[in-house]
Amino acid sequence: GIQVEQSPPDLILQEGANSTLRCNFSDSVNNLQWFHQNPWGQLINLFYIPSGTKQNGRLSATTVATERYSLLYISSSQTTDSGVYFCAVISGGYQKVTFGIGTKLQVIP
Amino acid sequence: EPEVTQTPSHQVTQMGQEVILRCVPISNHLYFYWYRQILGQKVEFLVSFYNNEISEKSEIFDDQFSVERPDGSNFTLKIRSTKLEDSAMYFCASIVRGGTGELFFGEGSRLTVL
Repeated sequence: GIQVEQSPPDLILQEGANSTLRCNFSDSVNNLQWFHQNPWGQLINLFYIPSGTKQNGRLSATTVATERYSLLYISSSQTTDSGVYFCAVISGGYQKVTFGIGTKLQVIP
Repeated sequence: EPEVTQTPSHQVTQMGQEVILRCVPISNHLYFYWYRQILGQKVEFLVSFYNNEISEKSEIFDDQFSVERPDGSNFTLKIRSTKLEDSAMYFCASIVRGGTGELFFGEGSRLTVL
């Protein structure tokens, strides 16, 4: 099946710093989404981004489908950005969803 | 905004008991999923459901588990004879259609097996 790799696995940032999270996938996909898992365990949908670039406030994402990667940018990080960021790809005729292992982000004041 | 709803939000059960987790997907969605996440670990695929039948299941989804869509709206996950290692967050998700449909997750049901 398709492999999804996320990097880095862990990241500690000083508040106000910028960061880039990466998601590589091993085969063509129908869709790619970024999620933030908050401290209560909920998966918050950040971006639905099968290709191209999107921005939402301090967050933006870029997917280059032909090169099989996606990037999530966090600018001017805040402590509320802490949590785990997951990349998930959707592929195949039955829309199989495969998650990466996540990037655990800690933003310190 | 339409949402996927899950109940209960938290359930505590004794080992060996049966548990049913319920999900109401978004009404015009066609593909449904159950995922689980053991505390601190990755989100693992359990099963996908399309056209009233299982389209794919993982090796985790053994005979202990079953899914059904009894009334065209609810989508349930049944765990028979729960084990301690079934303690996890269980997420339901749905997609409206094939191609580039966006995936929506419920808020999860936390299962604690004692």
